[in-house]
Amino acid sequence: GQNIDQPTEMTATEGAIVQINCTYQTSGFNGLFWYQQHAGEAPTFLSYNVLDGLEEKGRFSSFLSRSKGYSYLLLKELQMKDSASYLCAVRDSNYQLIWGAGTKLIIKP
Amino acid sequence: GAVVSQHPSWVICKSGTSVKIECRSLDFQATTMFWYRQFPKQSLMLMATSNEGSKATYEQGVEKDKFLINHASLTLSTLTVTSAHPEDSSFYICSARDGGGDFYEQYFGPGTRLTVT
Repeated sequence: GQNIDQPTEMTATEGAIVQINCTYQTSGFNGLFWYQQHAGEAPTFLSYNVLDGLEEKGRFSSFLSRSKGYSYLLLKELQMKDSASYLCAVRDSNYQLIWGAGTKLIIKP
Repeated sequence: GAVVSQHPSWVICKSGTSVKIECRSLDFQATTMFWYRQFPKQSLMLMATSNEGSKATYEQGVEKDKFLINHASLTLSTLTVTSAHPEDSSFYICSARDGGGDFYEQYFGPGTRLTVT
């Protein structure tokens, strides 16, 4: 079956750095997405990786290793507004998005 | 950027009635739209994939006669929850795919919160 694993919850301090990991086992791979979702709102796109390596976008970076079935989202200079759920999703061979359960990130002052 | 709207943003209905939710892509043509359901503290669950002009493809366990999907144009898809029951209360989110090139990102609507009393 298809499976995406990410931690359920993480806590970090304002101004610090946090890394959210995602491992996946899917039938085929056509890219990995990270989304941010605030409570009661729809997800918003953060990043997309299809080749191995690091993609940097301001305070957010995302890394992919296809051979290991592994990705992480790195958030730097954490702000209180970064408190949200972070969803990892993999596009399979049918171009369907397979979703992880999300990681709830709590930022403390 | 691409914008997807949903209407209504929230709705309360009585058990046994039907509710229609609209999903529109405002500035692009969406050949494919997706309907998701999300229960509190859970991840998105794909309900169905809707292609313009053809029947929707439903995920396993989703009743197609209960959740009617119509994708009549390249900018509009509707989800009708028929004979709604309290267990159908959830956050319904649509997304649209802007096809073309190698990058098929899904753009999400703001979601519709359905409460069935």
